[in-house]
Amino acid sequence: GAGVSQSPRYKVAKRGQDVALRCDPISGHVSLFWYQQALGQGPEFLTYFQNEAQLDKSGLPSDRFFAERPEGSVSTLKIQRTQQEDSAVYLCASSLRPAISNQPQHFGDGTRLSIL
Amino acid sequence: AQKVTQAQTEISVVEKEDVTLDCVYETRDTTYYLFWYKQPPSGELVFLIRRNSFDEQNEISGRYSWNFQKSTSSFNFTITASQVVDSAVYFCALSEAGETSGSRLTFGEGTQLTVNP
Repeated sequence: GAGVSQSPRYKVAKRGQDVALRCDPISGHVSLFWYQQALGQGPEFLTYFQNEAQLDKSGLPSDRFFAERPEGSVSTLKIQRTQQEDSAVYLCASSLRPAISNQPQHFGDGTRLSIL
Repeated sequence: AQKVTQAQTEISVVEKEDVTLDCVYETRDTTYYLFWYKQPPSGELVFLIRRNSFDEQNEISGRYSWNFQKSTSSFNFTITASQVVDSAVYFCALSEAGETSGSRLTFGEGTQLTVNP
């Protein structure tokens, strides 16, 4: 499809396991963002990529969270040694130009992560 | 630090009623952008509108209209003649102009709108 694609749609993991969430942005989009959305809350910024460069990771809650975008297209958000508070929907968004242009971000459906 | 407040957690209306969703923001920047997004039950955030801080003209798009007032730091959203399909969570968001993280969005907590037939 033409939109932002995220997989898996749902992920259940036991506490302490590592998980990897994938984001396939709209083709040609330079900017890629990850957000975390807790139940009943608004999304909160995690990290930002411009092409393959991670320009801002100030929103990552701990060093257990790691994101990469090695070829400037697909991105992976990895969470190591998951904890129950990591349970949330993880949203990926992309926009055509670098962040400075403040173009609208186009969001995927998200990955709903549940840690047991 | 920037902040967005959506004081209305839930609103319930009957179809064809008009409804206004409130949004109040805080920022130290003189240049910033405001957004509204719709999140239906499927979960995807759907972009509705972007306004920059220099453009205070109100905007109308079909049944949707937006009222931006810098004097009160508000960016309210009105749906005229609401329909059942308008039922969703609506988020107001703010971004500040900047070179790296400038367009990271700060979201409000959202307003759950339910339109009953």
